Amino acid sequence: QQPVQSPQAVILREGEDAVINCSSSKALYSVHWYRQKHGEAPVFLMILLKGGEQKGHDKISASFNEKKQQSSLYLTASQLSYSGTYFCGTGLTGGFKTIFGAGTRLFVKA
Amino acid sequence: NAGVTQTPKFRVLKTGQSMTLLCAQDMNHEYMYWYRQDPGMGLRLIHYSVGEGTTAKGEVPDGYNVSRLKKQNFLLGLESAAPSQTSVYFCASSFRPRQGRLGEQYFGPGTRLTVT
Repeated sequence: QQPVQSPQAVILREGEDAVINCSSSKALYSVHWYRQKHGEAPVFLMILLKGGEQKGHDKISASFNEKKQQSSLYLTASQLSYSGTYFCGTGLTGGFKTIFGAGTRLFVKA
Repeated sequence: NAGVTQTPKFRVLKTGQSMTLLCAQDMNHEYMYWYRQDPGMGLRLIHYSVGEGTTAKGEVPDGYNVSRLKKQNFLLGLESAAPSQTSVYFCASSFRPRQGRLGEQYFGPGTRLTVT
């Protein structure tokens, strides 16, 4: 039931782009994205609802394809501050809880 | 606003001991959650509550109990701690779903628990 995230880890140079994918075996109603910096609590980035919507947060955007039960997070022109672990969380129709993936570790170096 | 707070921040237990982790939120959120985080496994839901006086099991509930006597507090108990319960525990809260959409979760700073 846990969504699958890929890649597990990625190393970027400052200014490079990255894509993090999240896929589920179940029909989804919503996808949430969070970022966790080392030693800190996860922080909300954005929620996407079914309907193929896209959202943006600064230079971070995401898409949600409910037919494929997949979501992708796009990090453009990465900054050092983007380093951390990114989690997707999936919500089912009528559900009360979010199930999180194992996370993707992103490291941006100068 | 303090947001979501957790006590204690750190704790070391011996196998078989019991303890209670306290989570408090001041955002008037209806929903509250307890997660555990282990390396490489992400956030796994232990128990959650959709309102005062109600609780439900998550993905990994065995060995834990919870109570939500007040809307702002959510307690996680370990009756007989085991080394497998060594983990970082996060509490989170959110508003109830609106138009079918689950609310964003606000996380506490975490409790690092070691069971020896």
